[in-house]
Amino acid sequence: GAGVSQSPSNKVTEKGKDVELRCDPISGHTALYWYRQRLGQGLEFLIYFQGNSAPDKSGLPSDRFSAERTGESVSTLTIQRTQQEDSAVYLCASSLVGPSNQPQHFGDGTRLSIL
Amino acid sequence: EDQVTQSPEALRLQEGESSSLNCSYTVSGLRGLFWYRQDPGKGPEFLFTLYSAGEEKEKERLKATLTKKESFLHITAPKPEDSATYLCAVQRSGYSTLTFGKGTMLLVSP
Repeated sequence: GAGVSQSPSNKVTEKGKDVELRCDPISGHTALYWYRQRLGQGLEFLIYFQGNSAPDKSGLPSDRFSAERTGESVSTLTIQRTQQEDSAVYLCASSLVGPSNQPQHFGDGTRLSIL
Repeated sequence: EDQVTQSPEALRLQEGESSSLNCSYTVSGLRGLFWYRQDPGKGPEFLFTLYSAGEEKEKERLKATLTKKESFLHITAPKPEDSATYLCAVQRSGYSTLTFGKGTMLLVSP
């Protein structure tokens, strides 16, 4: 079975541009999570979806960041007016049911570089 | 605020040289402690979930243990293919998010 799929795998863009990152979760996984991994840092939680609602958005660092999810499927993370400090690997994970202690399964991430 | 501290930051072992990685945590009501393995350029790969103090889980050369304040990942007779960054994360009861440590980068030399 397919795992979590993220696209693009790499994205280079100029400061000030908007970017969209995509995540396809494992089929049947109702919970979906976005994390950010900066160089030398631990993973930082951004947002959690249960179905297409987002009960926890507490990790979004600013109003330039937003995310949406279509049903129990694809999610997109949008960063507007990108800044250099947004450079990081953005990881998506999905799990069967949340919140719970079901393990989260991760994609390979999108490496975002802001010039 | 939940906190996870992993030590050492990096560890170099010879093939066959057993050792342990440490994960110290503070969390208000532990729901679960998770260990992941992350290879360069890849997402974290799930290894174990531990739920309560005294619990142990094993997978091949890896064994994870849990106390009320820390978890250990014991690596017995490691092989070069065990080289990776090992991540520890905690989940608070009733919450969905994971709080991660910065990881331990393990290098096993042949």
